Amino acid sequence: QKEVEQNSGPLSVPEGAIASLNCTYSDRGSQSFFWYRQYSGKSPELIMFIYSNGDKEDGRFTAQLNKASQYVSLLIRDSQPSDSATYLCAVNSGGYNKLIFGAGTRLAVHP
Amino acid sequence: GAGVSQTPSNKVTEKGKYVELRCDPISGHTALYWYRQSLGQGPEFLIYFQGTGAADDSGLPNDRFFAVRPEGSVSTLKIQRTERGDSAVYLCASSMGQGRSEQFFGPGTRLTVL
Repeated sequence: QKEVEQNSGPLSVPEGAIASLNCTYSDRGSQSFFWYRQYSGKSPELIMFIYSNGDKEDGRFTAQLNKASQYVSLLIRDSQPSDSATYLCAVNSGGYNKLIFGAGTRLAVHP
Repeated sequence: GAGVSQTPSNKVTEKGKYVELRCDPISGHTALYWYRQSLGQGPEFLIYFQGTGAADDSGLPNDRFFAVRPEGSVSTLKIQRTERGDSAVYLCASSMGQGRSEQFFGPGTRLTVL
């Protein structure tokens, strides 16, 4: 079983809709959770991080964390074509800052 | 306010050669990480430095890989006797440390071993 699981997609949503990206992880000791956006041919860009159960909002992005279910999600409201990218979920491992990444979900926002 | 920088951006080498990849972290960041990313996969952890010392090198695939950070800033990832399977994008990230674990990535070095 992979340590961090994401649906590979593609997830296709119309412009203006809400995109919902999901991630599950296996290490119950994980404390830090991150979402990175990666455009084709570019490096990952940090867009959200969450450390406590519940929701965290930043602009059009909301991260949701449920440690009991070992589940973290990212909602993108009012999706734009420029949001089309691969979204990587990352979880810290082993008590260190070492991150374990999922393989990413490809999001396509169509006009 | 420069971000993480990495050089070279691209490196093509022949099987069996030695390569060095350089990372310059964000100024003031004490923690530095190396990852590598293959096509269609998420980044895979290689090594983590806190200051000058390697706090966790559990991700280095074998003894052909080595990394240093002698002055606690710039780091070099060294790969000996390169193999075709080493071809990937090598990513460096840094974070503030001191309990702040958000990692910021550099642009990466694309290594191609022919």
